[in-house]
Amino acid sequence: GESVGLHLPTLSVQEGDNSIINCAYSNSASDYFIWYKQESGKGPQFIIDIRSNMDKRQGQRVTVLLNKTVKHLSLQIAATQPGDSAVYFCAENWSWGKFQFGAGTQVVVTP
Amino acid sequence: NAGVTQTPKFRVLKTGQSMTLLCAQDMNHEYMYWYRQDPGMGLRLIHYSVGEGTTAKGEVPDGYNVSRLKKQNFLLGLESAAPSQTSVYFCASSYGSAEAFFGQGTRLTVV
Repeated sequence: GESVGLHLPTLSVQEGDNSIINCAYSNSASDYFIWYKQESGKGPQFIIDIRSNMDKRQGQRVTVLLNKTVKHLSLQIAATQPGDSAVYFCAENWSWGKFQFGAGTQVVVTP
Repeated sequence: NAGVTQTPKFRVLKTGQSMTLLCAQDMNHEYMYWYRQDPGMGLRLIHYSVGEGTTAKGEVPDGYNVSRLKKQNFLLGLESAAPSQTSVYFCASSYGSAEAFFGQGTRLTVV
């Protein structure tokens, strides 16, 4: 079936550097994508979203890029901080709110 | 607002026992979901509901049942627990196809 996957299971980033987390999706009909952050022992929290009619969206210190040609999604975190250490999931909307989640990328911020 | 509240937070069951996980949301969301999260995997949809009195199967529904008798509550039942159901369970709710808000999770161990 269709799936969403992440290229890197673990990403180690030095504090202050920028982080880039990648995600590949295969359902060309998906029209809405979300990035979630999950800290240890907590539920996922919404970070940023993007619709398929856009290729870039910016939030506070985060930017999501969407390349529909190659079905690729990325999350960029500027000036990574210790509080950014978490697992990051991308999710694609299959239909009316049903989302397919990727396996997640563990981001570890080192001092 | 409390958001999405799950009870209990932890539970240990013996194989064959039954239990019900309760999810409550105070955001007046129409859509509610139950996911399970296993190590190294993303969230997988068990069952979902698009409104009071309606439920539907997700990606991994076998061994689970749900009920949505009230708009704010979504119950997940395990009739006869199996070790394969050891997991962390997350409830979520959303307003239509927008981002989902997740609870803190229920860690279930079946021995």
